[in-house]
Amino acid sequence: DQQVKQNSPSLSVQEGRISILNCDYTNSMFDYFLWYKKYPAEGPTFLISISSIKDKNEDGRFTVFLNKSAKHLSLHIVPSQPGDSAVYFCAAESSNDYKLSFGAGTTVTVRA
Amino acid sequence: DVKVTQSSRYLVKRTGEKVFLECVQDMDHENMFWYRQDPGLGLRLIYFSYDVKMKEKGDIPEGYSVSREKKERFSLILESASTNQTSMYLCASSPSQRGPSYEQYFGPGTRLTVT
Repeated sequence: DQQVKQNSPSLSVQEGRISILNCDYTNSMFDYFLWYKKYPAEGPTFLISISSIKDKNEDGRFTVFLNKSAKHLSLHIVPSQPGDSAVYFCAAESSNDYKLSFGAGTTVTVRA
Repeated sequence: DVKVTQSSRYLVKRTGEKVFLECVQDMDHENMFWYRQDPGLGLRLIYFSYDVKMKEKGDIPEGYSVSREKKERFSLILESASTNQTSMYLCASSPSQRGPSYEQYFGPGTRLTVT
């Protein structure tokens, strides 16, 4: 049973607009959350993370929001650029161990 | 820069063959992981290792085994390859000490096709 869910398999957005990716989790022991970006034929690369003691973390064009009560996080990309076209994976872990649980991924396509 | 390398980018094997996938990291990380990625399923953990000669089962260990004889190297073994093991295999490593930001570093992946 997947503990991390990304319910939108794909997202298409116009260049310059905001991309919003959503992720839900079920395990209340998760206390650290990450987003990874993956291009075809490459390994995932780390994008941004957030600890459960925060509700927002920003890094340039990327912002992650965490709503612990709803067990929901989102990734905002503003403004979206063509190079952002990739698969984005949400991941979560408990500080009790080092294992990551991944969502199924959302494919983002940024249209020029 | 952390570097995680995998021995092959593409591999084609026959059903029943024994397959070895090798992974090497150069950052002296204690933890190493093997995942497989399939469409609609994301990344699923096969095995992981916290230290040399130590291994732990992940979520889908059936049909796989691993070996970690040296800290920098973690091997995934398919004892008798089957067509349902056709997938993208990803290796990752991470340090055991957590800092303010903590992540796993991934290799480029091996696309394995079993015919």
